[in-house]
Amino acid sequence: DAGVIQSPRHEVTEMGQEVTLRCKPISGHNSLFWYRQTMMRGLELLIYFNNNVPIDDSGMPEDRFSAKMPNASFSTLKIQPSEPRDSAVYFCASSTSGGAITGELFFGEGSRLTVL
Amino acid sequence: GQQLNQSPQSMFIQEGEDVSMNCTSSSIFNTWLWYKQDPGEGPVLLIALYKAGELTSNGRLTAQFGITRKDSFLNISASIPSDVGIYFCAGRGTGGFKTIFGAGTRLFVKA
Repeated sequence: DAGVIQSPRHEVTEMGQEVTLRCKPISGHNSLFWYRQTMMRGLELLIYFNNNVPIDDSGMPEDRFSAKMPNASFSTLKIQPSEPRDSAVYFCASSTSGGAITGELFFGEGSRLTVL
Repeated sequence: GQQLNQSPQSMFIQEGEDVSMNCTSSSIFNTWLWYKQDPGEGPVLLIALYKAGELTSNGRLTAQFGITRKDSFLNISASIPSDVGIYFCAGRGTGGFKTIFGAGTRLFVKA
């Protein structure tokens, strides 16, 4: 079975450009999470969805960040305009509702973003 | 907000040695999780703990859910070079899906 699929794996862009990161959760999983990983701050939860509905976006750094989940098999994280401090690895993870109890998140391989 | 304090930050050990790392929190968690991250990969779940006092093993790995529900430890016995990586603890509190991660323990194993 395919795991969580993220794209692109690597993105280099210039400050001010729009960045869109994509995620396809594991089929049958109905919870989806976006995390950001940096050396300084570790793994930070940005936002999570349950049944395509955003439940908690309190981790989203600022208005430049937005996330959508238009259907059960696709989510995007958009940064507009991007800034150098947004450089990080962005992970998508999914779980079943049972994961709400068991806590088992399955992570994608991440999207490494570099903003020059 | 909820925070996890994970220690040590890094460990340099010899192959064959045992390793211990732990996490503490000021908040109570209902679930404790331990993940490992290899370079260029996403974290992978090693062990999940669901009950206070629970002790669970997965091969050479053993983890415990602290009785106060505010801490957990992970032990690795007889370390091998492929144990190298970053180990994260993670906790999930009451009433939700939110999973908080510790800062990670970087493990280096010398053959």
